[in-house]
Parts: sequence; structure tokens; C-alpha cells
Amino acid sequence: GAGVSQSPSNKVTEKGKDVELRCDPISGHTALYWYRQRLGQGLEFLIYFQGNSAPDKSGLPSDRFSAERTGESVSTLTIQRTQQEDSAVYLCASSQRLAGSYNEQFFGPGTRLTVL
Amino acid sequence: GEDVEQSLFLSVREGDSSVINCTYTDSSSTYLYWYKQEPGAGLQLLTYIFSNMDMKQDQRLTVLLNKKDKHLSLRIADTQTGDSAIYFCENTGKLIFGQGTTLQVKP
Repeated sequence: GAGVSQSPSNKVTEKGKDVELRCDPISGHTALYWYRQRLGQGLEFLIYFQGNSAPDKSGLPSDRFSAERTGESVSTLTIQRTQQEDSAVYLCASSQRLAGSYNEQFFGPGTRLTVL
Repeated sequence: GEDVEQSLFLSVREGDSSVINCTYTDSSSTYLYWYKQEPGAGLQLLTYIFSNMDMKQDQRLTVLLNKKDKHLSLRIADTQTGDSAIYFCENTGKLIFGQGTTLQVKP
């Protein structure tokens, strides 16, 4: 079946503009994650959705970042008033989040954001 | 707070063994994972180990877990040029990834 898809694959924007990144998880996956990967660095957890529970927003770096998820489907990550330091690859992953069980995250190809 | 640390870079010759190390602080996870990120691609699960195991072998891959020292390692036998990638360990209890180890395999 289809994997996790993200759009756009590349986004170039000017400093101060808002951007919206989209993630389509694997059908049936209750958990959805957003990560940021700056050039040459590891993954930085941003936000986690699990079913209808309140999302874990503990990784969002500032109030310019927000994310929404409609039910157990598509999610959008919005960055307002983008700054150059927001330039990174934004990765989305989904999983069947079953407590205490094997829980592989399936990653999308990422959106490369460049803020000029 | 919780932390996962990895060495940043490893260079080996084709045919040699590679050992990628990871240390973590939170020991509550049921599973620990290794992911592989090839150039320009997303992450893919490579292998995992259940937290009550000390070792897991999967073809050329051997995962060792030292719970006392909170140390995880990934050994790749007979390393090939196709193994060149960034390898991430994940402490899945807290969705925390290491910063990734870039493995360079020289022919």
C-alpha cells in the first residue's frame, strides 16, 4: 500500500511569510509525528498526535509553529512569519501506536524548506 | 532531560566491520530501534531490539544492548558501499532520536 506522503517536496519562501506543510499518513495509523532535521543534524521532535487525544506539543520551538490533524488522517504543520533558522527538512512519520508493542515509525520523504 | 547520543562520523573500508554506538538516559522503553537514512531519502527502520534482550542478530546486522550502561550498538559485518548512510538510534519510549552517525564506506 501507499506509504507516508508529504507535500510539497521543496518549498522556498521569503523571510516573514507563512508556510503550510502537509502530511498524509498511512491509512489506519493512529499516531502521527512531525520532526525537523537541520542540515547535518539529527531529528528534532516537534509534535505527536495519537488518535483523539490531545497532541503532545512539547517539541514545538516557538508559538510560530502549530499543527493540526483531522481525525486520523492528514496533518498540516504551519510556520508563521518564517525565519532563516526555520530552514530544514521537515519529516512526518506515522505508526500504529499500540502501547507496549513493537511500534515502527514509517517516515515520509520530507519537505525541504528554505527561507531566504 | 532525556537524551540520546551518537558519534557523528565513522569511516570504514569495504569489507570491514562497522560499529555504531549510541548511549541513552531514559531506560523505560520497551524497544530500541535503529533507522537508516540514505542520501536524499527518508528514514527507514533497519532493525530493533526488545529491551529485555542483550543481543539480536539479523543477517549482517548485530544489535547489542547493555542496559546497565545504557549503551546500544549496531555492528554491520562485511560493510558494503551501499551501507553508506546516516544511522539513527531511537529510544521509542520518548520519541527521541540520536543525532545520527554518518557511515562512509570507502571502496
